[in-house]
Amino acid sequence: GDSVTQMEGPVTLSEEAFLTINCTYTATGYPSLFWYVQYPGEGLQLLLKATKADDKGSNKGFEATYRKETTSFHLEKGSVQVSDSAVYFCALSAGSYQLTFGKGTKLSVIP
Amino acid sequence: NAGVTQTPKFQVLKTGQSMTLQCAQDMNHEYMSWYRQDPGMGLRLIHYSVGAGITDQGEVPNGYNVSRSTTEDFPLRLLSAAPSQTSVYFCASSKGQALSGNTIYFGEGSWLTVV
Repeated sequence: GDSVTQMEGPVTLSEEAFLTINCTYTATGYPSLFWYVQYPGEGLQLLLKATKADDKGSNKGFEATYRKETTSFHLEKGSVQVSDSAVYFCALSAGSYQLTFGKGTKLSVIP
Repeated sequence: NAGVTQTPKFQVLKTGQSMTLQCAQDMNHEYMSWYRQDPGMGLRLIHYSVGAGITDQGEVPNGYNVSRSTTEDFPLRLLSAAPSQTSVYFCASSKGQALSGNTIYFGEGSWLTVV
């Protein structure tokens, strides 16, 4: 079945550091890929998405590129801020209405 | 816009009690779903609906019932609560399939504890 594997956290970075959260997937066909963010005490919000190979999703300084050859969708940001502290979920949709989520990676950014 | 609204936000139940988690959306979305979030496990789909009168099971449906009498509402019922149902529950909605790039919108969550 479909699955998403993302790097385990927690991840602690200093402000202005470079962020990478790895995400790889297994799916039949050609899935769409997503990154969701969950701030403390809140629901999930879509951060970015990509629907086909080589697409780059971007939002709020975050980027991720859909790499079909490596089945990956790694999340990157060049300079993190304290306000980026949250849990980040990689997810895919491969032909149904549902999303298949990774386990989440908690990011803490310290001043 | 209200988006996806869930109630209650917090609830404590005793084992064997029943309750309903309410979910409403004001975006005229056809697709609605319920997920549960457990520590270290991401979100898992409980039930979903592709329109009024149409529901289906997701990955973890046991112990839960749903119905969809209107486009706006999609309540989740726990008929006899068990400690294993202690979790955070999220309702979600979208205009169409996520595969096509449609955004799935989530509610703020309902924290349920079964003692």
